[in-house]
Amino acid sequence: KQEVTQIPAALSVPEGENLVLNCSFTDSAIYNLQWFRQDPGKGLTSLLLIQSSQREQTSGRLNASLDKSSGRSTLYIAASQPGDSATYLCAGLSGSARQLTFGSGTQLTVLP
Amino acid sequence: DTAVSQTPKYLVTQMGNDKSIKCEQNLGHDTMYWYKQDSKKFLKIMFSYNNKELIINETVPNRFSPKSPDKAHLNLHINSLELGDSAVYFCASSYRNTIYFGEGSWLTVV
Repeated sequence: KQEVTQIPAALSVPEGENLVLNCSFTDSAIYNLQWFRQDPGKGLTSLLLIQSSQREQTSGRLNASLDKSSGRSTLYIAASQPGDSATYLCAGLSGSARQLTFGSGTQLTVLP
Repeated sequence: DTAVSQTPKYLVTQMGNDKSIKCEQNLGHDTMYWYKQDSKKFLKIMFSYNNKELIINETVPNRFSPKSPDKAHLNLHINSLELGDSAVYFCASSYRNTIYFGEGSWLTVV
């Protein structure tokens, strides 16, 4: 059964810093790995989706990588801004029923 | 145009009541899901339907009963609500390994 872990659980950085969020998964037979953002009291915003055949995806200041062999994904945020403050969730899609298994999230605070 | 829509967005109800959350998708997808996000923000799948057939039923109390009248709808009915049912419930649909989430329904049981 797929298990997804995110480290750290919380992270606080000064504005302008580059940072990395980590995600690990136990079952390498994933179809894709997806990163979401969730603001307090809000729904899920999809940030990046990496297919199992891909190594990375980029969108603006965000870059996500996927290493299936080691069961790891990272989300790199460049030049962080206070507006980046949110909870970031990673999720792996796997299984015959195509279900998403979520990590417990990293709560990011970017200090002005 | 909202792809996956859920109603109501907010629901406050008393213990013991029965309530339903409705979900509709206009994407033509075959597969729909219900996920629950608990007070610790952990998201976990509850149910999945494919072409109106149940394909995932995680360990969920049988007070929770999903109903899919057609491919575009997956409703969640909850009987005898308990305080621990307070959570955010997300509906989703998928096609070719891409999942689209609704905006969530905040359920508070008092």
